[in-house]
Amino acid sequence: GNSVTQMEGPVTLSEEAFLTINCTYTATGYPSLFWYVQYPGEGLQLLLKATKADDKGSNKGFEATYRKETTSFHLEKGSVQVSDSAVYFCALSPTGGGNKLTFGTGTQLKVEL
Amino acid sequence: DAGVIQSPRHEVTEMGQEVTLRCKPISGHDYLFWYRQTMMRGLELLIYFNNNVPIDDSGMPEDRFSAKMPNASFSTLKIQPSEPRDSAVYFCASTRTELMNTEAFFGQGTRLTVV
Repeated sequence: GNSVTQMEGPVTLSEEAFLTINCTYTATGYPSLFWYVQYPGEGLQLLLKATKADDKGSNKGFEATYRKETTSFHLEKGSVQVSDSAVYFCALSPTGGGNKLTFGTGTQLKVEL
Repeated sequence: DAGVIQSPRHEVTEMGQEVTLRCKPISGHDYLFWYRQTMMRGLELLIYFNNNVPIDDSGMPEDRFSAKMPNASFSTLKIQPSEPRDSAVYFCASTRTELMNTEAFFGQGTRLTVV
């Protein structure tokens, strides 16, 4: 079946540090890949997405590249801010699977001054 | 649009009681999802509907859980009887067919505590 594996948290960084959160997936065919973000007390919000191999999704300074050869979709940001503190979820939607998302377990990011 | 609306935001109930969680999807969306979030298991898809019809309920943990969608603007998730291990945050999400393989919109969740 489909699955998503992300690095465990919490990840604690100083403001302006470089961020990488690793995500790998298992799926048949060509899934679509997503990063969602959950701020404290809120639901999940779409951060970025990529729907085919080598696509790069980007938003709010975050980027992730769909790497089919390594089945990865790592999230990066060059300079994090305190306001980026949240839980980040990697997710996939299988080929032809409509909107049935499979999520990773989430990675908590804490950014300190 | 007000987004996906869930109620209540918080629910505390005693073991054995019936619990009903409610969701109003975004108007015009034809897919509705119920998820459960726990520290141990992360975010799990329980069931989803398309055009008010349940499509996949394989994630529903057991017969104590049931979900309905009587119309396009309302869905319920019921737990009867509730148990302490049901304590979690339950999210409802919706999207529409034209947004396939793209964004699902989540409500703020219902935090359920069963004591």
